[in-house]
Amino acid sequence: KAGVTQTPRYLIKTRGQQVTLSCSPISGHRSVSWYQQTPGQGLQFLFEYFSETQRNKGNFPGRFSGRQFSNSRSEMNVSTLELGDSALYLCASSLADTDTQYFGPGTRLTVL
Amino acid sequence: GQNIDQPTEMTATEGAIVQINCTYQTSGFNGLFWYQQHAGEAPTFLSYNVLDGLEEKGRFSSFLSRSKGYSYLLLKELQMKDSASYLCAVRDGDSNYQLIWGAGTKLIIKP
Repeated sequence: KAGVTQTPRYLIKTRGQQVTLSCSPISGHRSVSWYQQTPGQGLQFLFEYFSETQRNKGNFPGRFSGRQFSNSRSEMNVSTLELGDSALYLCASSLADTDTQYFGPGTRLTVL
Repeated sequence: GQNIDQPTEMTATEGAIVQINCTYQTSGFNGLFWYQQHAGEAPTFLSYNVLDGLEEKGRFSSFLSRSKGYSYLLLKELQMKDSASYLCAVRDGDSNYQLIWGAGTKLIIKP
């Protein structure tokens, strides 16, 4: 089975722009979670989707949003980018919301 | 509230054994996970414990005591490639089964 894929892998944006990141879960997985990780920091939870519904949301400003499609693929959007948004954005999928999460390679976002 | 504690950093010698501890406080425990993360890479799943006791997988073992809110990851016959961060995460059944993550333990292996 193919693993979790994320596109793009690397992205450079400037302050004020917006960005959309994409995540394709492992085939058959219906739950997708998004995390932000800055250098030397742990995983900061953004949100979790299950069957197109947002089940959990972390403590991030409204500039961060996401959605999940009927095929379980997910996107997250960050509007009005700030320098502090530079990070590795990780997506993880699981069969259901109680199962083991498997991570994609991440999207490394640099905001200049 | 929800809280997970792990040591920030540990150092061990190649060929030795190291134990990484994790203590947690969550209102609705529904399983504990260990992940390994090499610098610049994504976390990879190592182990899952939901019942008390020891789970062994090759050189890696994970232990859970639900009554003490405590787990440890035991790494034997350490290799240089084991240098990584080790993340402990607990699934909280009272928070829509959200995974609560520790900050991770950076393990440095010396020759």
